Amino acid sequence: EAGVTQSPTHLIKTRGQQATLRCSPISGHTSVYWYQQALGLGLQFLLWYDEGEERNRGNFPPRFSGRQFPNYSSELNVNALELEDSALYLCASSRTIFYEQYFGPGTRLTVT
Amino acid sequence: KQEVTQIPAALSVPEGENLVLNCSFTDSAIYNLQWFRQDPGKGLTSLLLIQSSQREQTSGRLNASLDKSSGRSTLYIAASQPGDSATYLCAVTQGGSEKLVFGKGTKLTVNP
Repeated sequence: EAGVTQSPTHLIKTRGQQATLRCSPISGHTSVYWYQQALGLGLQFLLWYDEGEERNRGNFPPRFSGRQFPNYSSELNVNALELEDSALYLCASSRTIFYEQYFGPGTRLTVT
Repeated sequence: KQEVTQIPAALSVPEGENLVLNCSFTDSAIYNLQWFRQDPGKGLTSLLLIQSSQREQTSGRLNASLDKSSGRSTLYIAASQPGDSATYLCAVTQGGSEKLVFGKGTKLTVNP
């Protein structure tokens, strides 16, 4: 069984640009979660999608947004990039609510 | 607001030693607790999941316990090996929310 996959592995953008990160969950998983791991700040919850709907979001500005597609894959968009958006972005999936979350390898976003 | 604390922040032990990593959380209204392993620059690998109704879980050389009333969990690693060197993260799923709240991790180094 394939694990959670994320693309791209690395992404370099300049301040003010937009970034799009993608995630494919484990087959059979309907929930997708996005987390940000910035240096020194630990892992912070960003967004949760389930059955195509945004169910919850963390304490992040609206320029962080995303969506979940009918095949349960997901996209995270970050608009008007700022230097402090540089981080490892991790995607996780679970079978349904409150089940174990499985993480992908992450996308390293660097904003210059 | 749920806060998760992990002590110690870093730990260095000789190969073969048994060790305990600690995790505490402030709000006992959790659904479950997960222990993860993270290698440098990589995603998270799920090690153990303990449901709120359980007291412990075991997988190979790993044993995790949960005392929900006191807000504590421990991860016991038996006969440590250099390959166990990584950062170990504890996270709880908060009641009423799907998101994981993470501690900042314990960086473990096992010296040959």
